[in-house]
Amino acid sequence: AQRVTQPEKLLSVFKGAPVELKCNYSYSGSPELFWYVQYSRQRLQLLLRHISRESIKGFTADLNKGETSFHLKKPFAQEEDSAMYYCALGGGSNYKLTFGKGTLLTVNP
Amino acid sequence: DAGVIQSPRHEVTEMGQEVTLRCKPISGHDYLFWYRQTMMRGLELLIYFNNNVPIDDSGMPEDRFSAKMPNASFSTLKIQPSEPRDSAVYFCASSSAPTGHYEQYFGPGTRLTVT
Repeated sequence: AQRVTQPEKLLSVFKGAPVELKCNYSYSGSPELFWYVQYSRQRLQLLLRHISRESIKGFTADLNKGETSFHLKKPFAQEEDSAMYYCALGGGSNYKLTFGKGTLLTVNP
Repeated sequence: DAGVIQSPRHEVTEMGQEVTLRCKPISGHDYLFWYRQTMMRGLELLIYFNNNVPIDDSGMPEDRFSAKMPNASFSTLKIQPSEPRDSAVYFCASSSAPTGHYEQYFGPGTRLTVT
């Protein structure tokens, strides 16, 4: 079974501080991991996919298969980063994404 | 492409009424997903289709919920009769198997309030 755990429902940091949103997954096969972001009352948007190994809006995420983690990091948080962040896992033949419960990030001025 | 389109954006209805939510996926996408989002339960997958065929409806809460996809460019989610606990934001998403099927593109959502 696929499972995604985001241990923090809420995370609050000050502008300019580093931020790390945690994501752990459980999956026996080869995973595909994503981070989605949802700004206030908007649609979910894809932020990062692990296979691209890219940096978007200053965010990065590294897949650690040993620790089964895909934490999202940014060295200097901005107020506009305040949003709900969802970690999502895909894999196998069912073509579904399994989403975590989400972490609400608030960046204070 | 305008992306995934959903209508209506907001729906307020009284308990017992029928509610129909609509979704137009991105052209060429062969997977369509319906989700429900609430504060308590987060994002829940209700049902998904592949090439217009329902593949997994195990997330549909009960018989009051039904979904159809009569063609590749249109899907509906119906609640009959509606109840206050159905109040949530309902998202539709689509993806394309040949080009990274796990990556889903979401619509703006329908905010449903049942009074």
